[in-house]
Amino acid sequence: QAVLTQPSSLSASPGASASLTCTLRSGFNVGAHRIYWYQQKPGSPPQYLLRYKSDSDKQQGSGVPSRFSGSKDASANAGILLISGLQSEDEADYYCMIWHSTAWVFGGGTKLTVL
Amino acid sequence: EVQLVETGGGLIQPGGSLRLSCAASGFTVNSNYMTWVRQAAGKGLEWVSLMYSGGSTYYADSVKGRFTISRDSSKNTLYLQMNSLRAEDTAVYYCAGTESYWGQGTLVTVSS
Repeated sequence: QAVLTQPSSLSASPGASASLTCTLRSGFNVGAHRIYWYQQKPGSPPQYLLRYKSDSDKQQGSGVPSRFSGSKDASANAGILLISGLQSEDEADYYCMIWHSTAWVFGGGTKLTVL
Repeated sequence: EVQLVETGGGLIQPGGSLRLSCAASGFTVNSNYMTWVRQAAGKGLEWVSLMYSGGSTYYADSVKGRFTISRDSSKNTLYLQMNSLRAEDTAVYYCAGTESYWGQGTLVTVSS
């Protein structure tokens, strides 16, 4: 079982909100980890969006709109990327990442379709 | 403005070697941790290697013993020496400075 699990796809309408989840495997406590989120559009490198551990330990990427925010669902052992006021330009692949010891671990990515 | 520019990719036969470079500007390579991440066509992101500012290095199991990460402070450049290349190493290779700054990537194709 992968360390980080993301739904492979998600669809939402323009103007709506989308909640992208990143579920940690049993044995990994979401409360102990900073969750990093990246957006990747076709043909482009990943772009850092934000990191979230708690409301007192979070960081927004430079120039990233406040429509993008992070949170956690401890009961589901998951990190969440919330995108509000969806725009067509938000259509992209989204990856979560955590540090595990001295390595980065990525989720498989979620393809967000805005239609 | 931070810029990371990868070069050195190309077509190489299985078993061959290639050295990737990541030239940084607006960002000091030896003062920050640097990583290499790769992405095969149509696939997700895979962490490859990490170098801390103190010089410690770490590798994914899939490349351990074949790849070497290094840096040249005078050139403010990060490197990835890749030996004994395999078809499954075919990917776009990105360098990243901390978690925030990523280069545009360079394509490595391992094929006969």
